[in-house]
Amino acid sequence: NAGVMQNPRHLVRRRGQEARLRCSPMKGHSHVYWYRQLPEEGLKFMVYLQKENIIDESGMPKERFSAEFPKEGPSILRIQQVVRGDSAAYFCASSPDRPQETQYFGPGTRLLVL
Amino acid sequence: KQEVTQIPAALSVPEGENLVLNCSFTDSAIYNLQWFRQDPGKGLTSLLLIQSSQREQTSGRLNASLDKSSGRSTLYIAASQPGDSATYLCASTGNQFYFGTGTSLTVIP
Repeated sequence: NAGVMQNPRHLVRRRGQEARLRCSPMKGHSHVYWYRQLPEEGLKFMVYLQKENIIDESGMPKERFSAEFPKEGPSILRIQQVVRGDSAAYFCASSPDRPQETQYFGPGTRLLVL
Repeated sequence: KQEVTQIPAALSVPEGENLVLNCSFTDSAIYNLQWFRQDPGKGLTSLLLIQSSQREQTSGRLNASLDKSSGRSTLYIAASQPGDSATYLCASTGNQFYFGTGTSLTVIP
């Protein structure tokens, strides 16, 4: 059973471009979570999704950021018009059931905005 | 909102020492308390999960305890090894995971 997969592992964008980060949850997991880890800071929750539904997006910046988890395919975290402050590691996690249970983390995507 | 704090922020010990990492949280209404390990440039590896009804969990040289009433958890590492060098994160779980900022551990050979 493959773990949580994220791609790309590293992403370089220039200011104003769009960044798309992908997350494939573990097989059988229907809950996906995105976290951001800024340099020298802890992991911060961004959004919690189930298939075709956003359950909790209280950690998402109000502008430029969006997330989806379609019926088919990976979850996507999309950042429009990136700025240097978006440079961070973005981690995805998945769980088979409610978020109170163990979440399994992917290796992360490291975004660098030039 | 839950606040999770980890002390110390960094720790350096000689190989073979036993050590304790501390985690405190402000809201005792948690479901679980989970400890993770993060190696540089890598993702998170789950070490131990303590359910709210439990007081401790053990795995090999690791032992984690939970005291909900005082809002504290500790991770005890016995007979530390250089391979234990990493950042250790604790997280409280409710409807979200709230992470501490971690303790960076260096075990000196």
